[in-house]
Amino acid sequence: QKEVEQNSGPLSVPEGAIASLNCTYSDRGSQSFFWYRQYSGKSPELIMSIYSNGDKEDGRFTAQLNKASQYVSLLIRDSQPSDSATYLCAAFFGNEKLTFGTGTRLTIIP
Amino acid sequence: ETGVTQTPRHLVMGMTNKKSLKCEQHLGHNAMYWYKQSAKKPLELMFVYNFKEQTENNSVPSRFSPECPNSSHLFLHLHTLQPEDSALYLCASSQVSRGGNQPQHFGDGTRLSIL
Repeated sequence: QKEVEQNSGPLSVPEGAIASLNCTYSDRGSQSFFWYRQYSGKSPELIMSIYSNGDKEDGRFTAQLNKASQYVSLLIRDSQPSDSATYLCAAFFGNEKLTFGTGTRLTIIP
Repeated sequence: ETGVTQTPRHLVMGMTNKKSLKCEQHLGHNAMYWYKQSAKKPLELMFVYNFKEQTENNSVPSRFSPECPNSSHLFLHLHTLQPEDSALYLCASSQVSRGGNQPQHFGDGTRLSIL
């Protein structure tokens, strides 16, 4: 079974610090990876896409992909209380099937 | 405001009722999806429609019946549901092409409670 694994947390990070979220995936052939943010009672919102090995930065967010280790991470710099949410890692297995992890609940402590 | 609209936002129904969930996407995408989200479980893909044709039925019980009349609208017809079907039902859309896998964009979901 093709899977995406995340630590469910909760992960608590002080305001202003760097939050680091990690994800591993089972299908070595996966090419496309996404991070979604989901606030309580809301739908998942896409915040980052990454397709190539290395880092991709967008504002305070950096996604890191290591295909050899089958590992994707999301770094949030200068964490804010508004970053408190559940973060979902997702990977494409096959052309259409986007597989999600269970999500990591992040709490930013003021 | 989301480009994917779902109605109703909340639905409470008995096990013998029949109801339908509606989804509409305003993003010009060619694929639409139904997901189920239960507490402490990953998002579960239920159905995929690509160019209005169903391309995936992820072993979903027949009490869930999807309908996709065009690439902008998607329905999920419900009948004789069970208490374990209580969950958040999310609709998503994406642009599917040979060039690569594009991310999916989600609606706000329908919170379904079965009495």
